[in-house]
Amino acid sequence: AQSVTQLDSHVSVSEGTPVLLRCNYSSSYSPSLFWYVQHPNKGLQLLLKYTSAATLVKGINGFEAEFKKSETSFHLTKPSAHMSDAAEYFCVVRSSGGSYIPTFGRGTSLIVHP
Amino acid sequence: GAGVSQSPSNKVTEKGKDVELRCDPISGHTALYWYRQRLGQGLEFLIYFQGNSAPDKSGLPSDRFSAERTGESVSTLTIQRTQQEDSAVYLCASSNQAGLGPTGELFFGEGSRLTVL
Repeated sequence: AQSVTQLDSHVSVSEGTPVLLRCNYSSSYSPSLFWYVQHPNKGLQLLLKYTSAATLVKGINGFEAEFKKSETSFHLTKPSAHMSDAAEYFCVVRSSGGSYIPTFGRGTSLIVHP
Repeated sequence: GAGVSQSPSNKVTEKGKDVELRCDPISGHTALYWYRQRLGQGLEFLIYFQGNSAPDKSGLPSDRFSAERTGESVSTLTIQRTQQEDSAVYLCASSNQAGLGPTGELFFGEGSRLTVL
């Protein structure tokens, strides 16, 4: 069994300040973890993924995430928010056992103020 | 095509009517997924195709929902006797052979927004 919990439904930041989107996961097997971004009326785009290599993963647009097994977390960060980062962000888990069907979190809406 | 294509992009229908939603995956992608996204919610898994067979259809919410895939390409999701609670964005994703394992990436279409009046 697997699940993912995004701890905040909305995060509001000012442009130029750091971003932190929190994600905790549960998996009976070794997980692969992903962050996707969804801009309004657009499809989902992969930001980054963790697949048991380096625990600190760098993605597109300056985002990165750190896999912490002891905390079962995979938080997404960015040092400085840009207006174009305003979107919905989804944390996703896939397990190395079972059917590999990706399980999505409920999403975090990132709001960026000028 | 270059990406996953879904049609129609928007569909408004009356309660009780049947609707068909179409997904054209990326050429050569053997795996195809359907998800439903209700307003303000995460993605809810509906069904997964590997080639033309559906090894996992556990997410279909009722027998009013069905899906098929032909030629290891196009997939159609059909909702019969639509209800207001079926209103949502229906997202399709595909992945290649490498994407079959746990590390693979899914490529998403822009979705079909269904509104049932």
